[in-house]
Amino acid sequence: DQQVKQNSPSLSVQEGRISILNCDYTNSMFDYFLWYKKYPAEGPTFLISISSIKDKNEDGRFTVFLNKSAKHLSLHIVPSQPGDSAVYFCAASGGYNSGGSNYKLTFGKGTLLTVNP
Amino acid sequence: ETGVTQSPTHLIKTRGQQVTLRCSSQSGHNTVSWYQQALGQGPQFIFQYYREEENGRGNFPPRFSGLQFPNYSSELNVNALELDDSALYLCASSLQRRDTQYFGPGTRLTVL
Repeated sequence: DQQVKQNSPSLSVQEGRISILNCDYTNSMFDYFLWYKKYPAEGPTFLISISSIKDKNEDGRFTVFLNKSAKHLSLHIVPSQPGDSAVYFCAASGGYNSGGSNYKLTFGKGTLLTVNP
Repeated sequence: ETGVTQSPTHLIKTRGQQVTLRCSSQSGHNTVSWYQQALGQGPQFIFQYYREEENGRGNFPPRFSGLQFPNYSSELNVNALELDDSALYLCASSLQRRDTQYFGPGTRLTVL
C-alpha cells in the first residue's frame, strides 16, 4: 500500500515557465512533508519542507503548498531553469508535531522533471 | 562542513555472501537513517539509529542489521544476500531525530 503517491512519472516544461509537481498521501498521521531533488549517481538533496500547521512555505524559487483536507501537496518552481532537471521526490513523516520518536521518511516514486532551454 | 559520506561507492557480491556498508554522518548530527532504493522506486526506510540505539525499523528482515558508533558514524550489514538486495543504499543524518534528513551519495550494491 503506497502511502505517498506521485502520479506523474515525468514532467517537461520550458525554461522560465512554472513547474508544478504534485504529491498525494493517504496516512492522516503524516504531519511533516519534504521535497528532495536527485541527480543520477547522487543522493537526494533536500529542497524544502512544510509542517502540517502551515499551508505554504517559500524559499527562493521554490514554494510548497499543503492542502490537508485533500491530503495533497505541490511544489512550484518559478522560474524553471535547465539545472532544475532532475528526479523530484516527495516524502512524509509522522510525529513531528506530536512529539513522536520515529521520524522515518516515506517516499513517493518520484517525478522526472525536464526543463528545456 | 563535511556532508554525509558513504563507502564504498559500488560493490558487487554473490548470492549468500555478507556485506557491510559504512556511513559518516554530518558533523554534529546524532541520528542516522538507512534507506534502500530499488530501480524506479523511491527510497524505502530500513532503520534509524539515535545515539547508538535502534530507533525504529521498516519492513526488512532481520538479516538487515546495523550499528551506530560513539562518533555517530554507522554501518549497515546484510547477511545471506539475495538477488533482490541489489539496490542503491542511502544513508541520511539529522541533527536530532525530528530534524531534516540529509543524504549521502549512496552505495550501489549488485548481487549476482
